Amino acid sequence: EPEVTQTPSHQVTQMGQEVILRCVPISNHLYFYWYRQILGQKVEFLVSFYNNEISEKSEIFDDQFSVERPDGSNFTLKIRSTKLEDSAMYFCASRDSLGGYGYTFGSGTRLTVV
Amino acid sequence: AQSVTQLDSQVPVFEEAPVELRCNYSSSVSVYLFWYVQYPNQGLQLLLKYLSGSTLVESINGFEAEFNKSQTSFHLRKPSVHISDTAEYFCAVISMDSSYKLIFGSGTRLLVRP
Repeated sequence: EPEVTQTPSHQVTQMGQEVILRCVPISNHLYFYWYRQILGQKVEFLVSFYNNEISEKSEIFDDQFSVERPDGSNFTLKIRSTKLEDSAMYFCASRDSLGGYGYTFGSGTRLTVV
Repeated sequence: AQSVTQLDSQVPVFEEAPVELRCNYSSSVSVYLFWYVQYPNQGLQLLLKYLSGSTLVESINGFEAEFNKSQTSFHLRKPSVHISDTAEYFCAVISMDSSYKLIFGSGTRLLVRP
């Protein structure tokens, strides 16, 4: 079964450093998403991406965040200057344009900012 | 804007007992409804979904959920739980407006005891 792949599974970074979280969505999917889950809390929408541009972003997705689809397969989330409160599990998801609307999620990247 | 409410943060239950995890939603337009499961230290897996048609939907591992439009609910049930069902369960909704953004509830931790 096709799956969404995220790397790394766990990343530790120092406050103020830049991090890039990587995702390989399912190959024929057209819509891509990043979600965040702070430990013990709900899964929160960050951003959606379609046709090589951001289609929607939440208030969490401020200027320190950016997304990119640098080639035909990868979808990245960059955090420019990490803060302690950015520590969370970050999930990438994708879906196709057909019926179903079931997002397929990756297994997540646990980001720890120290 | 749509929202999802899961009133029970944790539901303890004995093995082989029935369980119901409650989910209510709010939306001004029609919705698609989902249940996702998150096993410990893993990502989000789609458990079942309601798009249209029969209001009762089932998963392959014995869970079922019923869409009740008048009560704006989509409760998840299983007649007999197993230890392996211990996980976090998230109800989620997509509103049929322009964004098709998936919005999650706060989650319910199902704890199955022997």
